[in-house]
Amino acid sequence: QQQVKQSPQSLIVQKGGISIINCAYENTAFDYFPWYQQFPGKGPALLIAIRPDVSEKKEGRFTISFNKSAKQFSLHIMDSQPGDSATYFCAACRGGTSYGKLTFGQGTILTVHP
Amino acid sequence: DVKVTQSSRYLVKRTGEKVFLECVQDMDHENMFWYRQDPGLGLRLIYFSYDVKMKEKGDIPEGYSVSREKKERFSLILESASTNQTSMYLCASSQGGRSGELFFGEGSRLTVL
Repeated sequence: QQQVKQSPQSLIVQKGGISIINCAYENTAFDYFPWYQQFPGKGPALLIAIRPDVSEKKEGRFTISFNKSAKQFSLHIMDSQPGDSATYFCAACRGGTSYGKLTFGQGTILTVHP
Repeated sequence: DVKVTQSSRYLVKRTGEKVFLECVQDMDHENMFWYRQDPGLGLRLIYFSYDVKMKEKGDIPEGYSVSREKKERFSLILESASTNQTSMYLCASSQGGRSGELFFGEGSRLTVL
């Protein structure tokens, strides 16, 4: 049972464009929603994260939008660059002692063409 | 910088062999995790440990066991490897508490023939 569903599986964007990746979750007990970025041959690394008390968080060109009622959250990459080409994973976990016990989405392979 | 080191980047084993995957972290983190990464399935949690000698099953523990004898070291064991365990295995650690950030190693790609 996939508790976090991510789409699309792959995404091709031109340099300077906006990349949008969507995730939906089922478990209303989830309390922390991070996005991880993975380059080939490397482990995933935390990119940006949000907690459900806010609807949006922005860090540079990366923005998370969070819709608690719809149980959805998305990653927006503004002014996408070839260096952003990577695999992106959304994730979620419950609070308390479950912090860090992440449930991941299926991943999105982003390719940014120069 | 946090460093999570997985001892083997690439392994090739035969069906039925016992396989050990080792992971060491250098940041005195409380929690350690083993995930499996497969295309189209994302990362799935196999086991995690929140203290020395403590462990909990994740979502896909069947066919795996773990050992945490020291705080910095977390081992994944495949008692009898099977071809469906061919995958990328990722170790991670986290500080615990309200910090949900995981720090991952670079992965161990296991092929079972």
